[in-house]
Amino acid sequence: EAGVTQFPSHSVIEKGQTVTLRCDPISGHDNLYWYRRVMGKEIKFLLHFVKESKQDESGMPNNRFLAERTGGTYSTLKVQPAELEDSGVYFCASRGHNTGELFFGEGSRLTVL
Amino acid sequence: AQRVTQPEKLLSVFKGAPVELKCNYSYSGSPELFWYVQYSRQRLQLLLRHISRESIKGFTADLNKGETSFHLKKPFAQEEDSAMYYCALSPSGGSNYKLTFGKGTLLTVNP
Repeated sequence: EAGVTQFPSHSVIEKGQTVTLRCDPISGHDNLYWYRRVMGKEIKFLLHFVKESKQDESGMPNNRFLAERTGGTYSTLKVQPAELEDSGVYFCASRGHNTGELFFGEGSRLTVL
Repeated sequence: AQRVTQPEKLLSVFKGAPVELKCNYSYSGSPELFWYVQYSRQRLQLLLRHISRESIKGFTADLNKGETSFHLKKPFAQEEDSAMYYCALSPSGGSNYKLTFGKGTLLTVNP
């Protein structure tokens, strides 16, 4: 069974540009999460989808971040325009219905110059 | 607000020695606690959760509500245990499993 996949693995962009990160969860997992680790800090929750609906987006830093999950399958996280402080590793995780275990992707490293 | 504290950023032990990775939490209710591990060049994965009361790869962790701790222990460390370990908390009573992570402890087991 394929795990959670994320693309790209690393993105380097300039301040002010736009980047879109993609996450493909494990097939059949309704719950999808985005987390972020900024250097030197802990992994922080960004938001949680249940199917295509945003269950909790309390961790989204500001309105430069937009997450979507059209059709309840893969999800995208767009940062527009990117700022220096957005640099970090963005993790996606998915979870099945009756389990508390989150399955993480390998992460997308974003570097904003 | 909930918080997870892992006081040790780095921990180094010799093979065969006991190891304890500390985790303290603050939360007003009864949380669910987890340990996640990230081995070199691998993804973050669940090691164990307190409600399972299991021993995984020789590791155990007991939830101490009085001390608000969830320390991870192994009596005899192995070189393959070298990894980054994260303690995490999820609010109880809900089904969202929105995790609050500690900053992590990098464990190195020397031969």
